[in-house]
Amino acid sequence: GAVVSQHPSRVICKSGTSVKIECRSLDFQATTMFWYRQFPKQSLMLMATSNEGSKATYEQGVEKDKFLINHASLTLSTLTVTSAHPEDSSFYICSASVGIGQPQHFGDGTRLSIL
Amino acid sequence: ILNVEQSPQSLHVQEGDSTNFTCSFPSSNFYALHWYRWETAKSPEALFVMTLNGDEKKKGRISATLNTKEGYSYLYIKGSQPEDSATYLCALVSSGSARQLTFGSGTQLTVLP
Repeated sequence: GAVVSQHPSRVICKSGTSVKIECRSLDFQATTMFWYRQFPKQSLMLMATSNEGSKATYEQGVEKDKFLINHASLTLSTLTVTSAHPEDSSFYICSASVGIGQPQHFGDGTRLSIL
Repeated sequence: ILNVEQSPQSLHVQEGDSTNFTCSFPSSNFYALHWYRWETAKSPEALFVMTLNGDEKKKGRISATLNTKEGYSYLYIKGSQPEDSATYLCALVSSGSARQLTFGSGTQLTVLP
């Protein structure tokens, strides 16, 4: 079946550090990937849609300069949290699907803790 | 902003019991309804993608129904087992949203041995 790999799974770093999270589709090509964020006891919230070869589409309230998304190939999307601060601490997870009408396949997520 | 609601928020059942939970969503501009199972320390796993009003889908002891006119879906688990313990998420895809999912907050199921 379709597999999505995400890493790192856990990051702890100091305030002001930029953190890059990678999301790879291992056995299929994904022209579109999605990045979600989850705060404690809340649902997964879509942050942005990552489009291969073009700019990402950000949801309302998500700062594009804060959360840089690059989708340079059909199998890799990266999310960079720039100059991270404690309020950016959260659980970030990516997903991709093999086609419209198909289920999403998720990475394992990244727990980001900013001290 | 789409409002996808799930109830109950959490549920404890005894092994062998059957259970069900609800996902409600706005019925306008409906395209698809997804169900996922999310076990602790793992990634969400797709259970069903449902598109047609009246759809019923089954996977082992788990089944789901869909009513797009009134905006709800039920997930049923027959003869719950401890390994069924997980958070069950539903997610709505609206027409024109290019596969974007709007998630409910999930139902956390604990099956007690």
